[in-house]
Amino acid sequence: GAVVSQHPSWVICKSGTSVKIECRSLDFQATTMFWYRQFPKQSLMLMATSNEGSKATYEQGVEKDKFLINHASLTLSTLTVTSAHPEDSSFYICSGVRQGANQPQHFGDGTRLSIL
Amino acid sequence: SQQGEEDPQALSIQEGENATMNCSYKTSINNLQWYRQNSGRGLVHLILIRSNEREKHSGRLRVTLDTSKKSSSLLITASRAADTASYFCATDATGGSNYKLTFGKGTLLTVNP
Repeated sequence: GAVVSQHPSWVICKSGTSVKIECRSLDFQATTMFWYRQFPKQSLMLMATSNEGSKATYEQGVEKDKFLINHASLTLSTLTVTSAHPEDSSFYICSGVRQGANQPQHFGDGTRLSIL
Repeated sequence: SQQGEEDPQALSIQEGENATMNCSYKTSINNLQWYRQNSGRGLVHLILIRSNEREKHSGRLRVTLDTSKKSSSLLITASRAADTASYFCATDATGGSNYKLTFGKGTLLTVNP
């Protein structure tokens, strides 16, 4: 078990559009979810930590008004890229964690975002 | 900043050979985890090794941890073409935010049939 579904897997849209990405834990409750950004041939860069029912904690340099995160339930977190521009094009990946010591993160399959 | 540093950055081997990847880190940790990422996909958790463990096995995978040297290794035995992927180590730092991981830069493993 421990499946995370991320949707959509791929999106192309025009500059200025807002894009919402969903991350769902299908068979477990994810008290904490993470959002990452990954550039080609590079490692994951943590954008923010999302805890159910509270405000997300953003990493330094990540604009919280640009990347809106909502974690309304124990199985769903959303990332909205507002007024997206070409420089926001990237691969976005979410993960969820069960509560408890020494728990691994379980990742979605990522969303490839292309802004024209 | 990235704490984990894997080496080599890229590794190319023949099917059937063993592949060894190393990871170094800088701070005290609760655990160290290894993940695999196929091109264009999310990460798949492979093994978690706790700071008080020295070795762990899972199928063809063997992970070691040396906290005195702040290093870990991942050994894949009898490799297959399907093992071709990027492999990342990630550390859960002591005293850090709950569950937050710091990922290394990864090793790109290519297994040639």
